[in-house]
Amino acid sequence: SQQGEEDPQALSIQEGENATMNCSYKTSINNLQWYRQNSGRGLVHLILIRSNEREKHSGRLRVTLDTSKKSSSLLITASRAADTASYFCATVRIMDSNYQLIWGAGTKLIIKP
Amino acid sequence: DAGITQSPRHKVTETGTPVTLRCHQTENHRYMYWYRQDPGHGLRLIHYSYGVKDTDKGEVSDGYSVSRSKTEDFLLTLESATSSQTSVYFCAISEGVRENYGYTFGSGTRLTVV
Repeated sequence: SQQGEEDPQALSIQEGENATMNCSYKTSINNLQWYRQNSGRGLVHLILIRSNEREKHSGRLRVTLDTSKKSSSLLITASRAADTASYFCATVRIMDSNYQLIWGAGTKLIIKP
Repeated sequence: DAGITQSPRHKVTETGTPVTLRCHQTENHRYMYWYRQDPGHGLRLIHYSYGVKDTDKGEVSDGYSVSRSKTEDFLLTLESATSSQTSVYFCAISEGVRENYGYTFGSGTRLTVV
């Protein structure tokens, strides 16, 4: 079963605007990861945020994590046409020797020129 | 997708035939994974490997087998392809399973079973 749920499922904005995508999950996690997938390509790792971190930046990307609400958000500032892609969150849970990486179904982001 | 390649990129096969997909990495990563991606399901883990000859099942392993005879190669075999196995298959690698590692993905293999 998929733990991560991205919201919204699809988002269309004008170039230059900011895009915010959310991910909710159900169980405790060790870290949460965001990936981008361009059409017809594999997924590309963007950012990993650990459970004891609240915010992380990478270029125009900002990820926040709220473990009390079991949610994360990915903000892309000053969006560009090249940001058009699907974005996935994946939660990592490590319990004893068991390691679980659970994927959400993704948010499809379209940046209109 | 530097460091990880999948072959073939596209394949059409008939129901009941065996199919083998190959994943090759040059990163010397210990962990390798096979996923399938279908609309509405996101990524689902088929099998994974944590070392040479060490493999385990994922959540959708029925109808699939894997082998890893060398660190760099991870093969996924559909013993007798069915139409439900039409999908896009992704291989991924990671250095480890501790919390600081992300995955690197291949470009995918689009498999159509007719």
